Amino acid sequence: AQTVTQSQPEMSVQEAETVTLSCTYDTSENNYYLFWYKQPPSRQMILVIRQEAYKQQNATENRFSVNFQKAAKSFSLKISDSQLGDTAMYFCAFMKRHGSSNTGKLIFGQGTTLQVKP
Amino acid sequence: DVKVTQSSRYLVKRTGEKVFLECVQDMDHENMFWYRQDPGLGLRLIYFSYDVKMKEKGDIPEGYSVSREKKERFSLILESASTNQTSMYLCATQGHYEQYFGPGTRLTVT
Repeated sequence: AQTVTQSQPEMSVQEAETVTLSCTYDTSENNYYLFWYKQPPSRQMILVIRQEAYKQQNATENRFSVNFQKAAKSFSLKISDSQLGDTAMYFCAFMKRHGSSNTGKLIFGQGTTLQVKP
Repeated sequence: DVKVTQSSRYLVKRTGEKVFLECVQDMDHENMFWYRQDPGLGLRLIYFSYDVKMKEKGDIPEGYSVSREKKERFSLILESASTNQTSMYLCATQGHYEQYFGPGTRLTVT
C-alpha cells in the first residue's frame, strides 16, 4: 500500500521570502503522479502543481516548484517570493497510474499549515 | 468554469439520525469521490464512483454508503450517525489528472 508523509504540521515564512515544504512517500509502483494541493482558510482545495514520475525534470508553476527525488521518494514544494495569499494548508498527494489512464484515487499526506507573515 | 457544489457548508445532527450529504458537478466527469478530512490525518477516501450506479469502497467505508443515480450527483449517506463521524466531508470529481473539490460540509454529530 502507498503512504504519504508530511512531517511538518506547521510552518511560517515572512512575506517575500522562500519556504520549502517536505513530503516523502512509499510505493512499489514505478508509474505514478505526485501532486501538491492548497486549501486556503474556508475556501476550496485547488491544485498547485503536478509531477509525473517518469519525467526527470522538476515541475514549475510560476512561484511554485518541486524537487522530485524519485530514488529517495521525496517530493518537496518550494514557494518563492511568498505572498499573504499563500497562507493555507498544503497537502501532498500520490496517484497510481495504470497504462495510459490513471486510477483517480489519491493518497494524501497529513497536511502542512503554512502561515505567511507580513 | 469548473464547479463542484455541496448541499450544506455546516450541518448538525443527532446520534442515530440518517444523514445525506449531496454533491453536484457540472463538468460531465465520470469519476466522483467522497473524502473525510480530520486534523493530523489529512484526507481519507470513503467511497468513489466511476460511473452511474457504479461504486467502490475506499479506505474507510464503514458506517457510510453512497448513491449515484445520475452522472452529475453523488450522495454520501450516514446510515446511523455517530459522534466519531463528526468531521469535514469533501466531495471531488476527476478530470484527466486533476481532482476538483467542493467547498466541504462540516458535520457535527451530537
